[in-house]
Amino acid sequence: EIVMTQSPATLSVSPGERATLSCRASQSVSSNLAWYQQKPGQAPRLLIYGASTRATGIPARFSGSGSGTEFTLTISSLQSEDFAVYYCQQYNNWPPTFGGGTKVEIK
Amino acid sequence: EVQLVESGGGLVQPGRSLRLSCAASGFTFDDYAMHWVRQAPGKGLEWVSGISWNSGSIGYADSVKGRFTISRDNAKNSLYLQMNSLRAEDTALYYCAKDSQRGLRNIFFYYWGQGTLVTVSS
Repeated sequence: EIVMTQSPATLSVSPGERATLSCRASQSVSSNLAWYQQKPGQAPRLLIYGASTRATGIPARFSGSGSGTEFTLTISSLQSEDFAVYYCQQYNNWPPTFGGGTKVEIK
Repeated sequence: EVQLVESGGGLVQPGRSLRLSCAASGFTFDDYAMHWVRQAPGKGLEWVSGISWNSGSIGYADSVKGRFTISRDNAKNSLYLQMNSLRAEDTALYYCAKDSQRGLRNIFFYYWGQGTLVTVSS
């Protein structure tokens, strides 16, 4: 199965700053990549699919890029509600697999 | 508004069985594939099983294959997970998740329920 590796494990960012999260696949997944946000005690929420398409209701400050094996989630100006854990997930190959997550914390 | 409400979790001894349910509303249930995704305490996400819109295609993670059975009842807008021969490593929060399409290709999870906790311990 495809292994998804996210970095860094923890990212410390000040409100209003830009956050850049990385996700690497062990082999090409084309653009079949999704990003999720999970806040403490809540279910994950889909942010991005197709590597760069925002899901319904997701603010424009969230953007995704990349293809093949290297992907990036960028949060252009962090709001207080954006501090959470972010997961990437590939869906190009069976079975679908997730990365280990990046925790975005307040600096 | 899409709603997915899981139930059926609890404390169970190793080797015993448990059946999870997910009640769906707010969308045309039989137009979409559905899935179970789990999260062990303090850990990441793991896809467990998925079922196509008409139950024609079903898939399992290797970690549960032969022990878990997914099913759906489109007349009742419900998804199920029968879990047999439970192990300590099955302890997790189990989420019901809606796909973006009917089949089991290109699986990602558009909506999630709040989860039901399964604890396997003697």
